[in-house]
Amino acid sequence: GAVVSQHPSWVICKSGTSVKIECRSLDFQATTMFWYRQFPKQSLMLMATSNEGSKATYEQGVEKDKFLINHASLTLSTLTVTSAHPEDSSFYICSAREAGGETGELFFGEGSRLTVL
Amino acid sequence: GQNIDQPTEMTATEGAIVQINCTYQTSGFNGLFWYQQHAGEAPTFLSYNVLDGLEEKGRFSSFLSRSKGYSYLLLKELQMKDSASYLCAVLDSNYQLIWGAGTKLIIKP
Repeated sequence: GAVVSQHPSWVICKSGTSVKIECRSLDFQATTMFWYRQFPKQSLMLMATSNEGSKATYEQGVEKDKFLINHASLTLSTLTVTSAHPEDSSFYICSAREAGGETGELFFGEGSRLTVL
Repeated sequence: GQNIDQPTEMTATEGAIVQINCTYQTSGFNGLFWYQQHAGEAPTFLSYNVLDGLEEKGRFSSFLSRSKGYSYLLLKELQMKDSASYLCAVLDSNYQLIWGAGTKLIIKP
């Protein structure tokens, strides 16, 4: 099946710094990628939908200036958490939909656990 | 509004059978997915239903009734490793995935 790779898996940073998380589709082209956040013992929450070559669409309540999304190619989307604070500590997961795929199935990355000290 | 309902938590015994239900109300329907998520890990795909009926895949089966807005995931011969959260998600008319909150399944020996 299709593979989505996310990097880094774990990141610890100081409050006020920025962190970039990469999401790559390794063996397929993804015109659409999704970014989720999951707090402990809670469900996935969609943060934004990233479309290749255009601006991301953010869900209500998600600050677009804080969570910068770039989808510059058909195989790479990045999420940058700017000026991270302890409340941003969470599990961030990306998923990708294969361009022209039949079922619209989403393929998930392994997730990135962010801890802000 | 769009809504996906599934039980918050279920408990079952190793070797038994469990059925996790999901009801949905969405603007349009382009299929329903079931994902499994172990704690601290990303979700993994289990099944996709777009037509009414039962789809069987090994120990797991998924059923869909579009007229009733209802699906269930059936897990047979439960194993301890099946302890996880099971997420129901519907692809709406805009091909956006609407997620349920997930059902935490606890397997006891």
